[in-house]
Amino acid sequence: AQSVSQHNHHVILSEAASLELGCNYSYGGTVNLFWYVQYPGQHLQLLLKYFSGDPLVKGIKGFEAEFIKSKFSFNLRKPSVQWSDTAEYFCAVKAAGNKLTFGGGTRVLVKP
Amino acid sequence: GAGVSQTPSNKVTEKGKYVELRCDPISGHTALYWYRQSLGQGPEFLIYFQGTGAADDSGLPNDRFFAVRPEGSVSTLKIQRTERGDSAMYLCASSLNGGKPEAFFGQGTRLTVV
Repeated sequence: AQSVSQHNHHVILSEAASLELGCNYSYGGTVNLFWYVQYPGQHLQLLLKYFSGDPLVKGIKGFEAEFIKSKFSFNLRKPSVQWSDTAEYFCAVKAAGNKLTFGGGTRVLVKP
Repeated sequence: GAGVSQTPSNKVTEKGKYVELRCDPISGHTALYWYRQSLGQGPEFLIYFQGTGAADDSGLPNDRFFAVRPEGSVSTLKIQRTERGDSAMYLCASSLNGGKPEAFFGQGTRLTVV
């Protein structure tokens, strides 16, 4: 069965710092990859997605992620965070079937 | 509707009682998913509907859990003989169809079993 691992449970950083969140998955076949974000008190929202093609994917709010197939990774990055990026971030994989498998999430706190 | 709607937003029930959680997907979305999210964890898949039929119910933890989608739109997740361990946030998501995996999530129903 596929699994998704997010290495950091909590990240604290200051505004304007760069952010990188790790995501690794275990599945050898074709995958669709997603990052979802959950702002405080809000529902899960799609940040970006990878289906095929260019492995560097750009999403909303200045986020990007890079799919590295050889490393089974899909790390999320943002060059300069803002206080409003405080949220919980979830990596998810769709492999065989139609269900999403989520990682455990990373809570990001951006200090103003 | 504009988004996925879940009711109630909060449900407190006594151990052993029966509960129903409702999900109203985005209009026109044929695929509907239920997930469960425990505190400090990511969402875990429960069941997926394509139209009226349950295409994958492999995530349902036991036979106390059941879900229906009789007309291919609204879905109800039903939990019998609730246990304290069932306490969690129950999330519903929908997508245009199963082949378009971009799923849109509702706000969830927080179930507390006391």
